[in-house]
Amino acid sequence: DVKVTQSSRYLVKRTGEKVFLECVQDMDHENMFWYRQDPGLGLRLIYFSYDVKMKEKGDIPEGYSVSREKKERFSLILESASTNQTSMYLCASSLQRAGTEAFFGQGTRLTVV
Amino acid sequence: QKEVEQNSGPLSVPEGAIASLNCTYSDRGSQSFFWYRQYSGKSPELIMSIYSNGDKEDGRFTAQLNKASQYVSLLIRDSQPSDSATYLCAVNSNYQLIWGAGTKLIIKP
Repeated sequence: DVKVTQSSRYLVKRTGEKVFLECVQDMDHENMFWYRQDPGLGLRLIYFSYDVKMKEKGDIPEGYSVSREKKERFSLILESASTNQTSMYLCASSLQRAGTEAFFGQGTRLTVV
Repeated sequence: QKEVEQNSGPLSVPEGAIASLNCTYSDRGSQSFFWYRQYSGKSPELIMSIYSNGDKEDGRFTAQLNKASQYVSLLIRDSQPSDSATYLCAVNSNYQLIWGAGTKLIIKP
């Protein structure tokens, strides 16, 4: 079974804090993704990576950065958390060849106060 | 901008009836199509994939694809209360998945 594991299920942080969300997958997938999901807005892509040390901006990268130092790990960083970054964050991974599905982690519910 | 459109619902269906969920997409070059189910507070899980025109059946679920009309649908037969969830349509485009906003399905006992 593919396993994508996010480091925290729930997280509460203060405005201005630097926040790290970690994601690890165990199936040797090339692609990894970070999404945020808000009611009525669906899944929005923040960043994705198709290889170690490679990253591409998604639809809403502002206020976020990412790091991929190892193939199995993809980190999302909120440099200075703000209340409008309160959301559900979902990590996913997939094989690189076309036509393959994405597998999701359990999600991190982040609240910024 | 490549798009995937779904009716947000909620779609209310009596228990035991057929639930029909629809999705349209804009990228004519898309070759892979997926339906995910997402329970409230949980992450999406894959329930069906379809790659060629026609129907694909898996248990109570049938995915239908019409590339000429750029239309994908999901039928759920003998709907159960446990099928109540949000259903997300995803379309592969340039090695990425483009997501619809999801349809909320409610099965009434």
